[in-house]
Amino acid sequence: AQKITQTQPGMFVQEKEAVTLDCTYDTSDQSYGLFWYKQPSSGEMIFLIYQGSYDEQNATEGRYSLNFQKARKSANLVISASQLGDSAMYFCAMREGPDVNGGSNYKLTFGKGTLLTVNP
Amino acid sequence: ETGVTQTPRHLVMGMTNKKSLKCEQHLGHNAMYWYKQSAKKPLELMFVYNFKEQTENNSVPSRFSPECPNSSHLFLHLHTLQPEDSALYLCASSQDWVGLASYEQYFGPGTRLTVT
Repeated sequence: AQKITQTQPGMFVQEKEAVTLDCTYDTSDQSYGLFWYKQPSSGEMIFLIYQGSYDEQNATEGRYSLNFQKARKSANLVISASQLGDSAMYFCAMREGPDVNGGSNYKLTFGKGTLLTVNP
Repeated sequence: ETGVTQTPRHLVMGMTNKKSLKCEQHLGHNAMYWYKQSAKKPLELMFVYNFKEQTENNSVPSRFSPECPNSSHLFLHLHTLQPEDSALYLCASSQDWVGLASYEQYFGPGTRLTVT
């Protein structure tokens, strides 16, 4: 089973409107972290926002917010007031809890991504 | 230079060639990573180094050989590659992964590799 599922291969939004990019995850760990990255056509992956599984409040970073619904195992990214420069691939990723030996886990598991196009 | 840099940005090589990809981070991080990004597939973690020690080899074929001479530099040596190895190779760095701190990974711009 996929650990990170992004069901929207592509999304379109009008400039200045808000858009939600979906992400669901699968883990049996109680402690985990969720990340969103943006990848423009230039290729570089840009970190956007982080949500810890124990964080009670939804994370926000400028125009980005993460709609974290733990019971539903979803971590949707909301971009408010879309700009033309927001057009890019967006990836959801998860880092799970400590390994069986109690050591920290460094692996990020990525979804397949959503291509967002912002129309003028 | 700031952040994570990668050279070359584009590389075309034949199946019998030997080449190397270089990554350098200027962030003072302790961990470095190689990822492979193929078309229509999620990013695949290849190798992880923490404090210059390799801590992960994600079942990568031996035609890919990593090298980490210090915490700031990471290389990926390539030899006798196959056409299916054509992909974007991304390098990343982070602080070490103590606990489950939100140590995000910072990525370089990638090397677009084409194997002919």
